[in-house]
Amino acid sequence: AQSVTQPDIHITVSEGASLELRCNYSYGATPYLFWYVQSPGQGLQLLLKYFSGDTLVQGIKGFEAEFKRSQSSFNLRKPSVHWSDAAEYFCAVGKTSYDKVIFGPGTSLSVIP
Amino acid sequence: GAVVSQHPSWVICKSGTSVKIECRSLDFQATTMFWYRQFPKQSLMLMATSNEGSKATYEQGVEKDKFLINHASLTLSTLTVTSAHPEDSSFYICSARFSGRAGLSHEQYFGPGTRLTVT
Repeated sequence: AQSVTQPDIHITVSEGASLELRCNYSYGATPYLFWYVQSPGQGLQLLLKYFSGDTLVQGIKGFEAEFKRSQSSFNLRKPSVHWSDAAEYFCAVGKTSYDKVIFGPGTSLSVIP
Repeated sequence: GAVVSQHPSWVICKSGTSVKIECRSLDFQATTMFWYRQFPKQSLMLMATSNEGSKATYEQGVEKDKFLINHASLTLSTLTVTSAHPEDSSFYICSARFSGRAGLSHEQYFGPGTRLTVT
């Protein structure tokens, strides 16, 4: 069965600092991987996704993620965090682009001015 | 494009009553819609998958008689919480997936969510 773990429940970074949010998945084949952001009072927004090809994926809002098969990881990174990035971040996995998606527990990001 | 709306955005109902939540894809046809439940400070839990014109597929542990899902058209799915109880209070989120036209991916587009409070 598919599963997703996000080891960090909460992370606090200073504005301008770099960010890395960890995501590990469990799945037998190459999964479809997603990162979503949920801001208070707003719906989930897709930051980026990986299906195949280049393992370094660029997303919106300056985010990128790297798929590492050997580590079963899909970590999200941003070189310089903005105060508006404070939100809840969810990593998700699916078997195909048509399949249901399983969400990780989420990482809450706080940004210090 | 690819906007999904939910109505209402929040609702308060009395214990024992039923409440219906609508999920609409505004600018695309959604052959598949998903319903999730999210508790405070927790992740999204998939409740069911609904395909237009057919019965919904419920995840293990989700009571199909309590959470009625109808996907009668390609732009509308409804979730009815029947005989609601305080433990049903939660944030319900739907998503819609488009398929069939080149240029639009098969990813899920999420609605803003509906907060249900049962008193």
